[in-house]
Amino acid sequence: DIQMTQSPSSLSASVGDRVTITCRASQDTSIYVAWYQQKPGKVPKLLIYTASTLQSGVPSRFSGTGSGTDFTLTISSLQPEDVATYYCQRYIRAPWTFGQGTKVEIK
Amino acid sequence: EVQLAESGGGLIQPGGSLRLSCAASGFTVSSTYMSWVRQAPGKGLEWVSLIYYAANTYYADSVRGRFTISRDDSKNTLYLQMNSLRVEDTAVYYCARGVVGVVPLDYWGQGTLVTVSS
Repeated sequence: DIQMTQSPSSLSASVGDRVTITCRASQDTSIYVAWYQQKPGKVPKLLIYTASTLQSGVPSRFSGTGSGTDFTLTISSLQPEDVATYYCQRYIRAPWTFGQGTKVEIK
Repeated sequence: EVQLAESGGGLIQPGGSLRLSCAASGFTVSSTYMSWVRQAPGKGLEWVSLIYYAANTYYADSVRGRFTISRDDSKNTLYLQMNSLRVEDTAVYYCARGVVGVVPLDYWGQGTLVTVSS
């Protein structure tokens, strides 16, 4: 099975902090990684695709980097509305595996 | 405006069958990625199945051989036929679309709950 391993599984940070979430693929996935945000009780929302392309309408404090097997999602200045669970996903050839999620909370 | 609306969820006994539908508007399902993603209660997202172009269909190992993805282009609707349902298939099932070759899942429906229980 192709795995996407996120770390940490949860984090707590202060408003204004820089937050970084990592995702490691068990196989080379080129740049075909996306990041999603899911707020409690809501539908997932696409933030980033092709590892670093910001989806239209997503605030510029979100950014993504990486290629191959290692990827990161960064929130440059954490805001209260960023409380959510974040998922990475590979989408080069099936299966389109998701990471297990990273829950972000405000300290 | 792109919209996706799932239906067909409900309570079903183990071993039973259910067909989910996802009615699309604002775009044509035949020209995009169309996928099903599920989320068990309190758990993370699990990719289930994908269809695009004429006959490209893909499945997660956990559902292969039991679930079938299809679409009706005349109705602009996506389906998921689920057979031999198991308790562990209990989840909210989302349909979602993307741009082939570029964007995975940029629009999602609100989801439909499937509960497999005796």
